[in-house]
Amino acid sequence: SQKIEQNSEALNIQEGKTATLTCNYTNYSPAYLQWYRQDPGRGPVFLLLIRENEKEKRKERLKVTFDTTLKQSLFHITASQPADSATYLCALALWGGSQGNLIFGKGTKLSVKP
Amino acid sequence: KAGVTQTPRYLIKTRGQQVTLSCSPISGHRSVSWYQQTPGQGLQFLFEYFSETQRNKGNFPGRFSGRQFSNSRSEMNVSTLELGDSALYLCASSPPNLAGGSDTQYFGPGTRLTVL
Repeated sequence: SQKIEQNSEALNIQEGKTATLTCNYTNYSPAYLQWYRQDPGRGPVFLLLIRENEKEKRKERLKVTFDTTLKQSLFHITASQPADSATYLCALALWGGSQGNLIFGKGTKLSVKP
Repeated sequence: KAGVTQTPRYLIKTRGQQVTLSCSPISGHRSVSWYQQTPGQGLQFLFEYFSETQRNKGNFPGRFSGRQFSNSRSEMNVSTLELGDSALYLCASSPPNLAGGSDTQYFGPGTRLTVL
């Protein structure tokens, strides 16, 4: 079965640095990958989506890359701020699956220290 | 537009009881998915409903069931509760998946279920 792993449970960085989070998947290439942010006690909030035929997507200080050879997606936050502290979840959608069925990683808890 | 709403926000039940959770999607969204989130397993897909029909189902026992109404509101039911069912139950709705449209899911705040 398809599996998705986020290598680090936690990542601590200094304010102003670039945070890089990793998401690896096994088996088949997904139709697309999504990244979500989740704050304590709240539901995940969508950040970015990248499709199988795309290499990179950007949104303000966020960047996502997708390498189907390595079976990996990287999520970058540049010029990180303490307000970026949260858990970041990677999710993939399988080909032939519906939009409502996502497989999530367990998340990486990012802490940005001032 | 109002976001996805879930009721109740918190619930405490005892083993063997049953529980019903409710989800109201964003207006115009017809797809509603349910997820269970625990510290050990993370977010796991339960099932998805579209136009009152179950479109997908995850690997959960039959004690977990759901339904969707004609106004797209959805409920999920867990019967014969077990201690391991303690979790945050999240509902998400998705807009119509038009060509070139969004595949985004919009999550509600969740219902925190504690089974004693």
